[in-house]
Amino acid sequence: GAGVSQSPRYKVAKRGQDVALRCDPISGHVSLFWYQQALGQGPEFLTYFQNEAQLDKSGLPSDRFFAERPEGSVSTLKIQRTQQEDSAVYLCASSSPDRGVNSPLHFGNGTRLTVT
Amino acid sequence: SQQGEEDPQALSIQEGENATMNCSYKTSINNLQWYRQNSGRGLVHLILIRSNEREKHSGRLRVTLDTSKKSSSLLITASRAADTASYFCATDEAGTALIFGKGTTLSVSS
Repeated sequence: GAGVSQSPRYKVAKRGQDVALRCDPISGHVSLFWYQQALGQGPEFLTYFQNEAQLDKSGLPSDRFFAERPEGSVSTLKIQRTQQEDSAVYLCASSSPDRGVNSPLHFGNGTRLTVT
Repeated sequence: SQQGEEDPQALSIQEGENATMNCSYKTSINNLQWYRQNSGRGLVHLILIRSNEREKHSGRLRVTLDTSKKSSSLLITASRAADTASYFCATDEAGTALIFGKGTTLSVSS
């Protein structure tokens, strides 16, 4: 596709529910990143994939957060037993092959998660 | 964790004026990037400056980098209403992911 696509655009979950957020990166982009952005703040790093390998998950806030990219393209961020503090915008970004953090990131428009 | 810190947090100017925002960071970097975010949208890459560069231009944007002071500035010349957005600096930390600051919210009124 022309850009990074994320779905759903908005998600409302009741506390305790599980949610799954999807990211379709730009075709051919090897690197994929997930960020969490609270209102009025900058994006906070969650996890990084190179192809299907999850190379860095140091930013995941708890073991309720899980990300996968089984075929090296589409990625899913799953949050189990959602809590109110999980309410945020979840941004996905991809970058061109072989350059990782040294190249510009292309962001999707994010999924706004509201936990009630 | 957020490495970069932008200053000011908010900036309001008139169309045609220049806007300057600053970013400070803590550790050594290979490059620093600036991004723009319109309300409700994802971030858009503006410019990347490498640690061995001191200044870079792109259209109405001018970025400087002072590695001795661990700081960068973004200048937008002849601002337009369409420049209204939040601006973030981001640095590479430990080589795996970009770390973003809290951003500067720019408002340009006509």
